[in-house]
Amino acid sequence: GDSVTQMEGPVTLSEEAFLTINCTYTATGYPSLFWYVQYPGEGLQLLLKATKADDKGSNKGFEATYRKETTSFHLEKGSVQVSDSAVYFCAPYSSASKIIFGSGTRLSIRP
Amino acid sequence: EAQVTQNPRYLITVTGKKLTVTCSQNMNHEYMSWYRQDPGLGLRQIYYSMNVEVTDKGDVPEGYKVSRKEKRNFPLILESPSPNQTSLYFCASSPGGWVTEAFFGQGTRLTVV
Repeated sequence: GDSVTQMEGPVTLSEEAFLTINCTYTATGYPSLFWYVQYPGEGLQLLLKATKADDKGSNKGFEATYRKETTSFHLEKGSVQVSDSAVYFCAPYSSASKIIFGSGTRLSIRP
Repeated sequence: EAQVTQNPRYLITVTGKKLTVTCSQNMNHEYMSWYRQDPGLGLRQIYYSMNVEVTDKGDVPEGYKVSRKEKRNFPLILESPSPNQTSLYFCASSPGGWVTEAFFGQGTRLTVV
């Protein structure tokens, strides 16, 4: 069945460091791909998405490119801030008409 | 303000005592869903609904019930809660299926003792 694997956390970085959170998926067909973010004490909210190969989703300085050949959708940010501390979920939309969430990667940024 | 509202935010209950977690959205969305979030497991879908009176099982439906009598409301019912249902629960809604953005409530932390 469809599945997603994302980088195990927690990830701890210093402010202004470069961030990469890896995500790979298996899915039939041509899924849309999402990254959701969960700030402490809150529900999930959409961070960015991409709907076709080579599309780049971007928001709040974060980027992810839909790589069909490697079935990956890695999340990157050039310079993280303390306010980016959160849990990040990679989430392909599967052929079974639902979103599949990865296990989440907890990110902590040190001032 | 567009939002998904869950109540209560926190609940401690005893094994076997029926409870309902309410979920309401004010965006006229057709799709609604319940998830549970457990450490290391991400979010797992419990039930979903594609419209009024249309509901279906997700990945982990055992021990839960839902109903969709009105478009805006999608309550989650635990008829006889057990300790393995201790979890963080999220309701979500979406305007056009899950290929579009999902909007999440703030979560309900349930403890069953």
